[in-house]
Amino acid sequence: NAGVTQTPKFQVLKTGQSMTLQCAQDMNHNSMYWYRQDPGMGLRLIYYSASEGTTDKGEVPNGYNVSRLNKREFSLRLESAAPSQTSVYFCASSEHSAANTEAFFGQGTRLTVV
Amino acid sequence: KNQVEQSPQSLIILEGKNCTLQCNYTVSPFSNLRWYKQDTGRGPVSLTIMTFSENTKSNGRYTATLDADTKQSSLHITASQLSDSASYICVVSVSAPGGATNKLIFGTGTLLAVQP
Repeated sequence: NAGVTQTPKFQVLKTGQSMTLQCAQDMNHNSMYWYRQDPGMGLRLIYYSASEGTTDKGEVPNGYNVSRLNKREFSLRLESAAPSQTSVYFCASSEHSAANTEAFFGQGTRLTVV
Repeated sequence: KNQVEQSPQSLIILEGKNCTLQCNYTVSPFSNLRWYKQDTGRGPVSLTIMTFSENTKSNGRYTATLDADTKQSSLHITASQLSDSASYICVVSVSAPGGATNKLIFGTGTLLAVQP
């Protein structure tokens, strides 16, 4: 039962470098999400995909892009990393995007930008 | 502004003891309230989900309560174990117009340490 799988688990980038965080779920969920978690703050939504073929901005989308590659996969791209993007990133999925559906989280990617 | 506040920020208890964590929210329109457990270095895992009409819900040694009138929730842990050491996050779901899009407002969590 893999659930939501994120890669990589850890990454160090230099300012200005680019990278893509990968996320895949095997629960046949329609909706997928990317969050960031910073010390002293609750998780904040970066982007989400309510269903395959759609993506929308969340609370903190600046500096990020996403791709819903297929129903299983949802990637997050940093085109030009900045120290302010140092954070722990979580991917999540839910059966659909209605307010009463359960969200399942991956184990996170700890990103450091130096 | 939609907000979720939790108290205390951190808590240390002895193994076997009970504890209660608090959550106050100002979220509208309210859809449901969730409690998540997040172990160090892991993603959050759901413990309970409660809708407006539910006052209490249990999951093993975890019991959550909800008072929708005062916009308060609590998570009670009974007979704590070392494995209960984690961050406990209160999350409130906002009901968007038409029921679309699951918008979650996260609290900052209560860090619980259970000592032998």
